[in-house]
Amino acid sequence: EAGVVQSPRYKIIEKKQPVAFWCNPISGHNTLYWYLQNLGQGPELLIRYENEEAVDDSQLPKDRFSAERLKGVDSTLKIQPAELGDSAVYLCASSFEGTGVGEQFFGPGTRLTVL
Amino acid sequence: DAKTTQPPSMDCAEGRAANLPCNHSTISGNEYVYWYRQIHSQGPQYIIHGLKNNETNEMASLIITEDRKSSTLILPHATLRDTAVYYCIVRDTGKLIFGQGTTLQVKP
Repeated sequence: EAGVVQSPRYKIIEKKQPVAFWCNPISGHNTLYWYLQNLGQGPELLIRYENEEAVDDSQLPKDRFSAERLKGVDSTLKIQPAELGDSAVYLCASSFEGTGVGEQFFGPGTRLTVL
Repeated sequence: DAKTTQPPSMDCAEGRAANLPCNHSTISGNEYVYWYRQIHSQGPQYIIHGLKNNETNEMASLIITEDRKSSTLILPHATLRDTAVYYCIVRDTGKLIFGQGTTLQVKP
C-alpha cells in the first residue's frame, strides 16, 4: 500500500515569493492534516479536513496561508507571500476516522527554506 | 499546549529494553494515549495507543497506570534503528498535540 505522498521534498525560495505544497493521502482516508514542524519542535497542526470540509483551521495564519482539498482527495497548501520565519518542514498526514481514534499516517514532509 | 510531560533525552544499550516514561496527569476519561516516533528527516510514525488497558503490538508495549496519570512505552529489544524522537500524546478531539518528545539514543 502506498503511503502519504508529498511533493516537492525540498523547496528554496526568496522571501515574498509564493510557494505551494502538494499532498496525496492514502487511498480511502477521509481525513487529511497539514502540520508545521520547526527545527527541534514537535509538529503543530495547521488545518484538518474531513472529506472536502476544513473542520479545524484555527491555527492556520489566514493572511498568507491557504489550503484546499478538492474532491476530498489531494490537497494543496499555499503560502503567499513567504516570510523568513516560514522556513520549516511542512507535513501532511491522513487517517480514516470511522471511529474517531484513527491512526494518522504521515508523509515525509516538504522542507521549505526561505532566503 | 501538550498535555504530556516527557524527559528530553534517554540512552539505551542495544539489545536491552527501552522504557520511555510519560506523565499525563490531566487526562480525561475518554482521552487516549498515543505514541509516535520520528526518525531523523522522516515524518512521525505511529507506534501504539491505548485507553485503559495495557497494549502490545509488534513494535512495542504500552503500560498505562491504573489512575491513567502516566504511562510507559517499552521497546523490548532496542536496536540502533530505534534511535528517534518519541512523542507521547493525549489525543484531544481528533487533534494530535505534539510536545517536544524524548530523544532516545540507542548505543552499541
